[in-house]
Amino acid sequence: QVQLVQSGSELKNPGASVKVSCKASGYTFTTHAIHWMRQAPGQGLEWMGWINTNTGNPTYAQGFTGRFVFSLDTSVNTAYLQISSLKAEDSALYFCARVDLQLLLDYWGQGTLVAVSS
Amino acid sequence: DIQMTQSPSSLSASVGDRVTITCRASQGIRNDLGWYQQKPGKAPKRLIYGASNLQSGVPSRFSGSGSGTEFTLTISSLQPEDFATYFCLQHNSYPRTFGQGTKVEMK
Repeated sequence: QVQLVQSGSELKNPGASVKVSCKASGYTFTTHAIHWMRQAPGQGLEWMGWINTNTGNPTYAQGFTGRFVFSLDTSVNTAYLQISSLKAEDSALYFCARVDLQLLLDYWGQGTLVAVSS
Repeated sequence: DIQMTQSPSSLSASVGDRVTITCRASQGIRNDLGWYQQKPGKAPKRLIYGASNLQSGVPSRFSGSGSGTEFTLTISSLQPEDFATYFCLQHNSYPRTFGQGTKVEMK
């Protein structure tokens, strides 16, 4: 069965970096793009962008350029979200999800909590 | 960007109640909409795709309707496991945008 399993919670100091992983199983990784979403405490979901798992080409939403990087390691069917120069306002739950053939998100990871605090 | 306005933001209901949640799009999105259920600490689960198609394995008490700018998720008879947050997502254009969510709580 299709599964996306994300890495565990992270507590980071301001200015540090974090790398969140999203390991896929149960399907051919390179045939479905991976999208990333952010959910700040008590807020709705915000779409961050997506990565083409066939070409590795990332697309970032406005507000998620510069410090945010999507990457892949297709040898282990894993997508990554790296955030650098962390700020307190980056504290949130981060989700990965894959898209179906109609480009609608179908399967999601369980979320990774990133807390930024000194 | 397409704005998705979801209402209500929360509701209180009892087991057996009929529950209706609405998403309005700021411009027409055909039927490019999905509905999801989110429980704390769990991966969101897709309930409906293409505005009205029931995801395999999802109970038939869930249904979706609408096209263009107005969409509805209905739970015909609320069950204990349905107390959760529900949100819509449009995939008609980029950036993808979500409704703000509806928390369904026990009355």
